[in-house]
Amino acid sequence: GAGVSQSPSNKVTEKGKDVELRCDPISGHTALYWYRQRLGQGLEFLIYFQGNSAPDKSGLPSDRFSAERTGESVSTLTIQRTQQEDSAVYLCASSISRNLYGYTFGSGTRLTVV
Amino acid sequence: AQRVTQPEKLLSVFKGAPVELKCNYSYSGSPELFWYVQYSRQRLQLLLRHISRESIKGFTADLNKGETSFHLKKPFAQEEDSAMYYCALMLSDGNKLVFGAGTILRVKS
Repeated sequence: GAGVSQSPSNKVTEKGKDVELRCDPISGHTALYWYRQRLGQGLEFLIYFQGNSAPDKSGLPSDRFSAERTGESVSTLTIQRTQQEDSAVYLCASSISRNLYGYTFGSGTRLTVV
Repeated sequence: AQRVTQPEKLLSVFKGAPVELKCNYSYSGSPELFWYVQYSRQRLQLLLRHISRESIKGFTADLNKGETSFHLKKPFAQEEDSAMYYCALMLSDGNKLVFGAGTILRVKS
């Protein structure tokens, strides 16, 4: 597609439930990133996928968070047993490999845990 | 450890005044730095990259390795510049971006 697409745009869930967030990167972009943006804070790196290499999971805050990506296509970020502190905007971005042009971001999924 | 610091959470200026959004970084490798902007109700987008030495929408940013800074400047602010600005550092693996906490720029008429 023309840009990075994320769904849903908004998600309200009850504490303790699992949620799944989806990201469709730009076709041909081998790299895909997930970031979290809490209210009033900067972007926090979560996970990075590059082609078929093992993902860089160094930013995942706990084992309740996981992400998958098949090849160079769609990625899903799953949060199990959601907590109120998980409330944030989850941003996905994609780029070509070794990218000096920066990322292209999606519009994000706003997650609210009540 | 690599870190990007934007010391101002909010910068408020009058239209026509000069703007400088501060960014300092800490990184042992060769830095590649970016400025991203997020206008109200729009997605985060790239504003400029230091390697291209470009001027976008009147903004420029110069990498000062001695001061480890990459401040964003514009000589005459416009109301449409009001947005959230993020400074970002690309690590030497050419992949992960480390972002600062962001600065809200408000340009008043």
